[in-house]
Amino acid sequence: AQKITQTQPGMFVQEKEAVTLDCTYDTSDQSYGLFWYKQPSSGEMIFLIYQGSYDEQNATEGRYSLNFQKARKSANLVISASQLGDSAMYFCAMRRERGSNYKLTFGKGTLLTVNP
Amino acid sequence: EAGVVQSPRYKIIEKKQPVAFWCNPISGHNTLYWYRQNLGQGPELLIRYENEEAVDDSQLPKDRFSAERLKGVDSTLKIQPAELGDSAVYLCASSKRTVNTEAFFGQGTRLTVV
Repeated sequence: AQKITQTQPGMFVQEKEAVTLDCTYDTSDQSYGLFWYKQPSSGEMIFLIYQGSYDEQNATEGRYSLNFQKARKSANLVISASQLGDSAMYFCAMRRERGSNYKLTFGKGTLLTVNP
Repeated sequence: EAGVVQSPRYKIIEKKQPVAFWCNPISGHNTLYWYRQNLGQGPELLIRYENEEAVDDSQLPKDRFSAERLKGVDSTLKIQPAELGDSAVYLCASSKRTVNTEAFFGQGTRLTVV
């Protein structure tokens, strides 16, 4: 079974500073993908970044980077130069990517507040 | 390209009444997910379709919930009868069935059962 753990219910960061949101996962699969989504108060789920289990380099997308430590089963999201618009819920998710099974499982989320 | 479309956006019903949610996924996406998201929680999978086949419905409360995906495109999720505890946001998502592709979400339907 897959499990995603986000241990930080809430995080605060000053505008323009960097912040790390933690995510650990548990799976027995060898092939899987890790995702981060942002959910503002308006409710839509916005895809941020993806990391494949076989990718040797950490994924980066603009101000977002994923600190992937496979042996520790962690996939932390780093947001650089925080902006007020980054205030939102952030969800880590994992998807099995083997055969025909593409189940996508989410963690409970971290509420990020960016202070001016 | 149009995104995932869900309707209605909001629904308020009395308990014991039926309710249905509709989802139109992105064209060409084989995989369709229905999630339920309670306030302050992460989305929880209810059912996943690969084309028209429900391949994972283990968390769907089958005594009151049903879903269908006719012709492998649009999908409908139904609750009958609704209970107070069903109040939540119901999210639909779709993706291609390949690695390295994200799931795209609709804006969700916020259900309130009174």
